[in-house]
Amino acid sequence: NAGVTQTPKFQVLKTGQSMTLQCAQDMNHNSMYWYRQDPGMGLRLIYYSASEGTTDKGEVPNGYNVSRLNKREFSLRLESAAPSQTSVYFCASSVGYGYTFGSGTRLTVV
Amino acid sequence: QKEVEQDPGPLSVPEGAIVSLNCTYSNSAFQYFMWYRQYSRKGPELLMYTYSSGNKEDGRFTAQVDKSSKYISLFIRDSQPSDSATYLCAPSSGSARQLTFGSGTQLTVLP
Repeated sequence: NAGVTQTPKFQVLKTGQSMTLQCAQDMNHNSMYWYRQDPGMGLRLIYYSASEGTTDKGEVPNGYNVSRLNKREFSLRLESAAPSQTSVYFCASSVGYGYTFGSGTRLTVV
Repeated sequence: QKEVEQDPGPLSVPEGAIVSLNCTYSNSAFQYFMWYRQYSRKGPELLMYTYSSGNKEDGRFTAQVDKSSKYISLFIRDSQPSDSATYLCAPSSGSARQLTFGSGTQLTVLP
């Protein structure tokens, strides 16, 4: 019962480097999401995908890109990392209002 | 002003106490109200889900929504150390099924 799997769990990047956060779900959910969580700010939506082949911007999309590779996988890419992107990133998938979250990726940009 | 306001705490109570966690919101379009629980260094997990105004009970947990005052509450009876976590309210208008999360209240239940 894997649910939502995120990789990597931890990452340190230098300013300007790029990386892709991977997310996969095995629950056959249509909708998938990327959130970031910062102290005092709660969870903020970066991008979401209502179904395979579609993606839409959320509240804080600047500096990020996403790819819905297939129904299972939804990746988040940082093209040129900035210190302001230091955060904990969560992927989620849903059917109805029951969101299932992954365990998160802790990203530090130095 | 944030769309969803939640007292961040931290809140510390003795085991067995009744806990009240609250959120206020400004968007009248919110119809669905969720509470998520997040343990340290884990992802949030859905705890309770209610639609429109009223109460919903699930074991030791009761979710209450007052749409007239835009006020959401979660009550925990007979609190246990295992309830120690951050609790996030998450209302939704139903549009594209996106949730708007509060910033979370950190709760510690002391043995």
